[in-house]
Amino acid sequence: DAGITQSPRHKVTETGTPVTLRCHQTENHRYMYWYRQDPGHGLRLIHYSYGVKDTDKGEVSDGYSVSRSKTEDFLLTLESATSSQTSVYFCAIQRAGGSSYNEQFFGPGTRLTVL
Amino acid sequence: QQQVKQSPQSLIVQKGGISIINCAYENTAFDYFPWYQQFPGKGPALLIAIRPDVSEKKEGRFTISFNKSAKQFSLHIMDSQPGDSATYFCAVTFPGTYKYIFGTGTRLKVLA
Repeated sequence: DAGITQSPRHKVTETGTPVTLRCHQTENHRYMYWYRQDPGHGLRLIHYSYGVKDTDKGEVSDGYSVSRSKTEDFLLTLESATSSQTSVYFCAIQRAGGSSYNEQFFGPGTRLTVL
Repeated sequence: QQQVKQSPQSLIVQKGGISIINCAYENTAFDYFPWYQQFPGKGPALLIAIRPDVSEKKEGRFTISFNKSAKQFSLHIMDSQPGDSATYFCAVTFPGTYKYIFGTGTRLKVLA
């Protein structure tokens, strides 16, 4: 357990509505990530952050934005949700240094359904 | 483009058998090769990982075999148990990028 929580854990929303998912960590890690998981695609990186207010795009960033105003919180926003964004969303942190260099640890996930 | 190809997509093994999952990659610059295990309703959890300077790493019943020349690495689960039934993901990463590229996953079912 890397002290990662995600909220909400489940959400059903309608097409066109904005949605924000929250990732919270308790261990003060610099790197945080948002992935989506879909059958046949594995885990795909949406956005990541390498520090407060420092973010960058992943491979499937269209339709998503992120913000990180505090080390412990990383928010993922769907500005106008579409049915193609129905997925399970995972937040992850990366521990750097020592024997755990490069290891990413995942939160429990948020299941989002867009009707 | 798909930088990591994972196979098979699904696998059924008898209890006590050996489960083998393979991943092939394109870029020789990748420097870290982890395997993740995911149970239904849970987030993926790091299972075992290897760096390209070794050809094999073993932790309990789980072994990674790494073939640098063939650009392949595989996960072997010895004496497979029903509790090993899960989805397994391989991943690769570039040095210094702090970003993973995941395979598409293998759903393993171990029959009792």
